[in-house]
Amino acid sequence: DTEVTQTPKHLVMGMTNKKSLKCEQHMGHRAMYWYKQKAKKPPELMFVYSYEKLSINESVPSRFSPECPNSSLLNLHLHALQPEDSALYLCASSQATRAVRQGYTFGSGTRLTVV
Amino acid sequence: QKEVEQDPGPLSVPEGAIVSLNCTYSNSAFQYFMWYRQYSRKGPELLMYTYSSGNKEDGRFTAQVDKSSKYISLFIRDSQPSDSATYLCAMSDDTDKLIFGTGTRLQVFP
Repeated sequence: DTEVTQTPKHLVMGMTNKKSLKCEQHMGHRAMYWYKQKAKKPPELMFVYSYEKLSINESVPSRFSPECPNSSLLNLHLHALQPEDSALYLCASSQATRAVRQGYTFGSGTRLTVV
Repeated sequence: QKEVEQDPGPLSVPEGAIVSLNCTYSNSAFQYFMWYRQYSRKGPELLMYTYSSGNKEDGRFTAQVDKSSKYISLFIRDSQPSDSATYLCAMSDDTDKLIFGTGTRLQVFP
């Protein structure tokens, strides 16, 4: 299995809703990442988990809350989002953080629309 | 000045052409370089990664790095309509972060 699987593929939520994005990989990777990508822009790093511990938070607003229940799963909990948070949310993984040398494996993303 | 500069395109070429995609960077600490391909509404797909200056070839793709000039390139030979996508360069200074270019949109027409 060489894939990173993200669910759901599409999500529409209101500004008062609470929802979660899920990411799963079974490649034995020990580093997992959340990125946000707006249209025609490059991916922007949000969070890095290394060995199930949060190692980087790129000053992301608290309405985004990551969680890494185990080495294969990564969640992103969403609450009280704003319309400007609408974007493609990408999960990625790598063998270990230093293996960023060989790049990440990305999932297909969750396209989030906040109304 | 952005850390990584990449011409957004679009770059439009006929099928069979050789395509050259380029990025420049300002941070001399960058050591590792990658190229990703991203189709519309999909996640980026890793095409190639390289460390040293010089060329690395994989099928129709060649990645070139010139650290002295802080310049990297991706060449695509015999381009196909299926190569139409956005190509993102990415680089790392061996920390946990990849820094991406803005991406170049490529269109290969039959």
